Amino acid sequence: DAGVTQSPTHLIKTRGQQVTLRCSPKSGHDTVSWYQQALGQGPQFIFQYYEEEERQRGNFPDRFSGHQFPNYSSELNVNALWLGDSALYLCASSLGTGLESETQYFGPGTRLLVL
Amino acid sequence: AQKITQTQPGMFVQEKEAVTLDCTYDTSDPSYGLFWYKQPSSGEMIFLIYQGSYDQQNATEGRYSLNFQKARKSANLVISASQLGDSAMYFCAMREALNTGFQKLVFGTGTRLLVSP
Repeated sequence: DAGVTQSPTHLIKTRGQQVTLRCSPKSGHDTVSWYQQALGQGPQFIFQYYEEEERQRGNFPDRFSGHQFPNYSSELNVNALWLGDSALYLCASSLGTGLESETQYFGPGTRLLVL
Repeated sequence: AQKITQTQPGMFVQEKEAVTLDCTYDTSDPSYGLFWYKQPSSGEMIFLIYQGSYDQQNATEGRYSLNFQKARKSANLVISASQLGDSAMYFCAMREALNTGFQKLVFGTGTRLLVSP
């Protein structure tokens, strides 16, 4: 049973550039959520995708955008990178049942460094 | 808004001993869920245990148990018989229901656990 996978594992960019991160959900899952984890902090919710639509968004600027494909995989795009975007980006997948016991399973993350 | 508080930045425990990691929460929702995740240095968040607000019994998963005290709004993680591989960051998280019918997780700042031989 394949877990959540993310690519790339590490990425170095310079300010002003654009980046695309990728995520494949756990087998059988249809909902993908993205989180940003700054150094020494807990993850912060960016947005969530279900049925190829953004269902909810956290307190992140429009520079952060995403996409979900028919096979449930997802991309996170960040435009006009700045130093503060340096973080671990985590993808989590779940089954969109809406149940309060619904568990999100995380991938290994992508470490982004903006210079 | 929901909030999770983890007041222990770091904890030390000797191998084979038990350790309790503290978590308090704040919510006005009558129905909620609480999760604990382990994050090794590799970065992946590993799901450990879940407790629902209406669950009558404390959740247990192997060496992990959740000491759920609803009146005190606390959901402490107890790890029994600590192992060297338990050294990691531990995050407490709460499910927050969104107006779309979906949910997100709200995390605390984490506790770093170090298990010594």
